[in-house]
Amino acid sequence: DTEVTQTPKHLVMGMTNKKSLKCEQHMGHRAMYWYKQKAKKPPELMFVYSYEKLSINESVPSRFSPECPNSSLLNLHLHALQPEDSALYLCASSPQTGGTNQPQHFGDGTRLSIL
Amino acid sequence: AQKVTQAQTEISVVEKEDVTLDCVYETRDTTYYLFWYKQPPSGELVFLIRRNSFDEQNEISGRYSWNFQKSTSSFNFTITASQVVDSAVYFCALSEAPTGANSKLTFGKGITLSVRP
Repeated sequence: DTEVTQTPKHLVMGMTNKKSLKCEQHMGHRAMYWYKQKAKKPPELMFVYSYEKLSINESVPSRFSPECPNSSLLNLHLHALQPEDSALYLCASSPQTGGTNQPQHFGDGTRLSIL
Repeated sequence: AQKVTQAQTEISVVEKEDVTLDCVYETRDTTYYLFWYKQPPSGELVFLIRRNSFDEQNEISGRYSWNFQKSTSSFNFTITASQVVDSAVYFCALSEAPTGANSKLTFGKGITLSVRP
């Protein structure tokens, strides 16, 4: 079991649906991340939150909308997705120690399929 | 720009063989961090090791060992006496020292390791 919990584990949705992915950690980490991973590829960074503020947006389309309601939770709201958005979405967290790069801890991911 | 090269794409070994996964990196920073992650079929990335650019000591953890050589910009990973449970995709990653918010991880393409019984 990982210390970063992601729900749901699997999600199938139509292109007109609205859904949300959820991520939770209770390690006191103040940096949280969303990654997208296509099959047989490395993870690609989407967003970084630092102290509940969005610090990095890797030019992600607006149909993906992140939200960090508190230091333990990270959501990814999905709307009007395209079939090419089908992928494994990984959440990660790390201590915000500034000056040293602490390792990121990853969740199991949500496997998203867009019909 | 940072770059991580994992030239091997797939490796297949028989159980109990030793195997080395290669990682070569490029960066202009003098301070940087290197990581190895394991991704089993279940999907989560499992952190294995972090090494900063000022610490060239090799490390051993059980059957795992890492060889960091700045002279060749390499950070290779060796599994001794491999086991079926070692079958996974292994990613090497690099990040520069953060200036504020945590900086980004640059991943290599990953190496798929299959250990046959």
